[in-house]
Amino acid sequence: AQSVTQPDIHITVSEGASLELRCNYSYGATPYLFWYVQSPGQGLQLLLKYFSGDTLVQGIKGFEAEFKRSQSSFNLRKPSVHWSDAAEYFCAVGAPNFGNEKLTFGTGTRLTIIP
Amino acid sequence: DGGITQSPKYLFRKEGQNVTLSCEQNLNHDAMYWYRQDPGQGLRLIYYSQIVNDFQKGDIAEGYSVSREKKESFPLTVTSAQKNPTAFYLCASSRGGKAFFGQGTRLTVV
Repeated sequence: AQSVTQPDIHITVSEGASLELRCNYSYGATPYLFWYVQSPGQGLQLLLKYFSGDTLVQGIKGFEAEFKRSQSSFNLRKPSVHWSDAAEYFCAVGAPNFGNEKLTFGTGTRLTIIP
Repeated sequence: DGGITQSPKYLFRKEGQNVTLSCEQNLNHDAMYWYRQDPGQGLRLIYYSQIVNDFQKGDIAEGYSVSREKKESFPLTVTSAQKNPTAFYLCASSRGGKAFFGQGTRLTVV
């Protein structure tokens, strides 16, 4: 069965500092991997996705993530965070097979930005 | 514009009453999902449907029911059997692995 682990429940970072959010997955084949962001009381927005090819993927809002097959990881990074990045971040793994599709989400990491 | 619509945004019900949350999408997606979100527990999958007229239980299906009579619609009923129904409920659809989410329904049972 596919699963996702986000080991950090809550992270606090100073504005302007770098950020790395961890994500580990379990999946039987090459996974499709995603990072989503959720602002309070809202739905989720896709930040970036990895399907195949270059293992370093760029997303919106200056975020990037690197797929490391040997570590079963897909960590999210940003070189310099902004106060508006405060939100909850979810990693997800999926099997995009038409007619047999299912996404599994991690428990999320809440990001707090301090001035 | 294409997207997912959940309604209502806020819902209040008395304990013991069934309540149905609406989820409609015009993205032509086959897969649809219902998640429950509680503080500190992330997204927990209630039910998902990979195709019309078919759905499967997720991790916390007890006390919930769904139907998928049309591709566009995936309503969730929170029954009186659900012991702790107060939560934020998110609906999503996906195609090719990419998910789109509704804005959520906050259900409060009093």
